[in-house]
Amino acid sequence: AQSVTQLGSHVSVSEGALVLLRCNYSSSVPPYLFWYVQYPNQGLQLLLKYTTGATLVKGINGFEAEFKKSETSFHLTKPSAHMSDAAEYFCAVSEGGSYIPTFGRGTSLIVHP
Amino acid sequence: GAVVSQHPSWVICKSGTSVKIECRSLDFQATTMFWYRQFPKQSLMLMATSNEGSKATYEQGVEKDKFLINHASLTLSTLTVTSAHPEDSSFYICSARWQGEGYTFGSGTRLTVV
Repeated sequence: AQSVTQLGSHVSVSEGALVLLRCNYSSSVPPYLFWYVQYPNQGLQLLLKYTTGATLVKGINGFEAEFKKSETSFHLTKPSAHMSDAAEYFCAVSEGGSYIPTFGRGTSLIVHP
Repeated sequence: GAVVSQHPSWVICKSGTSVKIECRSLDFQATTMFWYRQFPKQSLMLMATSNEGSKATYEQGVEKDKFLINHASLTLSTLTVTSAHPEDSSFYICSARWQGEGYTFGSGTRLTVV
């Protein structure tokens, strides 16, 4: 079985500050890990994903995440927040590419001036 | 890239009527599509897996007679909410798997039953 825990339902940062969204996973096999962003009343857009290989994954809009097997974590970071980053972020895990991902509860990122 | 088009983006209907939501893969063939339901400020809950040319597989607790899924072609899956009631009001999102390792999502449908 697989599961995802996103720590913090809301994260608030100032524009220009570091963004850190936390995600811990549980998986019985080597996981595939994803971060998605959702803007109000829209679907999900893939930010980045980890499958195999390099553990530091770079995505769109300046986001990156690092897969840490020992910590079962896949935290999402961005060096400098922008107002347009305000959205809901979902971490997801799947047991391989063919398996349906399981989503975390989401973290709402609030960016204030 | 793979694009999934979902329509309508929002719909308001009267209680007791049925509503159809369409999900189309625009530039790839989607043998499998997924339907999710999302409550406000919550995560996505998988409702069913739609397979082209066969019956959908529903998750536990999802009423298959209320949420009818049809996947008649490699590019189109539909979700029909039958005899809708206010408790069916929600945000519905479809997704399709592409190239074996990616999932692309539709833009979602906001259903309000009054």
